[in-house]
Amino acid sequence: AQSVTQPDIHITVSEGASLELRCNYSYGATPYLFWYVQSPGQGLQLLLKYFSGDTLVQGIKGFEAEFKRSQSSFNLRKPSVHWSDAAEYFCAVGGGATNKLIFGTGTLLAVQP
Amino acid sequence: DAGVTQSPTHLIKTRGQQVTLRCSPKSGHDTVSWYQQALGQGPQFIFQYYEEEERQRGNFPDRFSGHQFPNYSSELNVNALLLGDSALYLCASSWGLASTYEQYFGPGTRLTVT
Repeated sequence: AQSVTQPDIHITVSEGASLELRCNYSYGATPYLFWYVQSPGQGLQLLLKYFSGDTLVQGIKGFEAEFKRSQSSFNLRKPSVHWSDAAEYFCAVGGGATNKLIFGTGTLLAVQP
Repeated sequence: DAGVTQSPTHLIKTRGQQVTLRCSPKSGHDTVSWYQQALGQGPQFIFQYYEEEERQRGNFPDRFSGHQFPNYSSELNVNALLLGDSALYLCASSWGLASTYEQYFGPGTRLTVT
């Protein structure tokens, strides 16, 4: 079955600290992987995506993610978190004939001053 | 350039009623997908429209139906509303169906069923 697991429901980090959000996927074919961010009252904004090639991908707002096929993981990282990064983060997997996405349950990030 | 727009922003309905949600895709996009996001959950795929036809459907009952118009805008209809239909309904648009085509999401319609 195709699925995405985000083990951390809620994470709190201090401003300026590093961040890693975990994502594991199960997908029968070659996965296309995405990270989206959702702020209150906003739609989903794409942070970054991985289709193929270099397993370390850079995104917007200083985020990066690393694809590890052996671990079925696509963890999101940021070296120094800003207060404006507080939001909910969703990992998603797609592929196949259409761009339908399967999302994880999300990780809510809180940033302490 | 306007992004994906959805209307209404919020609405409240009673169990058993019917509701129609609307979506206008980003300029230049011809494919519209609908997702349901229940509170505390990730978005779940409902269905996708391309060339005015439903191309793929998620695990949702027939009470959920849709339509795409010649100008690529789309409607999501839900009949016989249940309390469990309360959710944020997200519309996403893209240029084509292919997996590599990025989807752009609208702000959503918050549906409350009482």
